[in-house]
This record gives sequence, C-alpha cells and structure tokens, in this order.
Amino acid sequence: NAGVTQTPKFQVLKTGQSMTLQCAQDMNHNSMYWYRQDPGMGLRLIYYSASEGTTDKGEVPNGYNVSRLNKREFSLRLESAAPSQTSVYFCASSEARNNEQFFGPGTRLTVL
Amino acid sequence: AQKITQTQPGMFVQEKEAVTLDCTYDTSDPSYGLFWYKQPSSGEMIFLIYQGSYDQQNATEGRYSLNFQKARKSANLVISASQLGDSAMYFCAMREVFSGGYNKLIFGAGTRLAVHP
Repeated sequence: NAGVTQTPKFQVLKTGQSMTLQCAQDMNHNSMYWYRQDPGMGLRLIYYSASEGTTDKGEVPNGYNVSRLNKREFSLRLESAAPSQTSVYFCASSEARNNEQFFGPGTRLTVL
Repeated sequence: AQKITQTQPGMFVQEKEAVTLDCTYDTSDPSYGLFWYKQPSSGEMIFLIYQGSYDQQNATEGRYSLNFQKARKSANLVISASQLGDSAMYFCAMREVFSGGYNKLIFGAGTRLAVHP
C-alpha cells in the first residue's frame, strides 16, 4: 500500500518550459488536492478535485491546470513556467467529510 | 473568510519537557475540523491529531493532545515528554466542508520546534 505517490521528486525548468506533475493514490479516495509550499509559509491550495470528473480552483490557481484522469490520478500542469512557481508541490487525497488528508512526499520544483 | 494563525515562528524546549504550540482560527461555519501536521526536515507531511468542532472532549493521540477552546477559537497542540525526534515544523490547519462532502484545508504559517538535549 503506497499511499500517495508523486513524480518527479525534483525538477529544474527554464522560464517558459512546460511540465506535468503526476500524482496517484491507492486508497480509493474520492477527493484529491494540489498544494504549493513556499519558504516560511504553510501550504496553499492550487486546485482540488472533489470526485472523479470534477476539478475546481483553490487559492492560487493562476498559471496551473489540472486533470483528474481517473479516481487514482490527479495531475498538475504548468504550461509556461515562471520563477514565481519555484516551490515544493504536494499532492494529497482524502475520503469525504471527516477524514484527514494524506500527503505525498512532495516535488521540489525550481524555475530558472 | 477563514483564517488560521500561528503566532510562534519558532519555539524551543528541553528534552522530556512539555511544550504548547499555539493556533487560533477564524470561521463562521458551525461545522469545521482542526488538524495538526508535522513536517520534519525530510519534507513529508505527517498527520498528528484531529479535533472536530462538535467533539465534546479534547483529542489525544499518544504524546499529542489538542487543547480545544471553542469560545476562544483556539486549538493548541500540546506535546508531552518532548523527544529529539519532535524537532520539526508544525502546521495547524482547518478543514472547510462543502456540500457533497468533500473538504479542503487551510494552513497556518507553521511553528518550528527545536528540542534541545
């Protein structure tokens, strides 16, 4: 039981390049989330998916797109990376209502 | 708007002593949940403890307890008998529940705890 997995663990991009961060969970959770964590700050929600087939914006969605490919997978895409998107990205999943969110190990992204 | 405030950027404690990490929240929703997560230097987010707004008793999980004072809108984390491995960043978070049952978390800025031998 791997929980929440993320790939890649590290990535360096040049300004303007695109990339997709992958996330998968094997806990049969309905809801999935993408957060970013900047130095000295807590996590901020980028996008979330309440259930398969639905996605919605969080606090800081600009510059990102997401795809809920199926119940297991939720990807985050940067179409044209900017230095302001240098951050650590966390994917999380949860069952509805009362349960806690389970987090992946994070992806450390640097945009030069 | 909902908000989580952690006023202590850094704390230190002697090994084997207890420490309290502060968290206050602001919400107008009657139904909410409060979480504490630990983030060690390795970077992963580890769930520690949960308190629901309707829970009558304070939550406890091993050496962790949550001092929930609803009228003051505070949800402080108490770590008893601190260990060196408790040195980490600690985040308080509040769950907002939407219709349909899904939830999202709002995080505080965190408190960095250092345990000294």
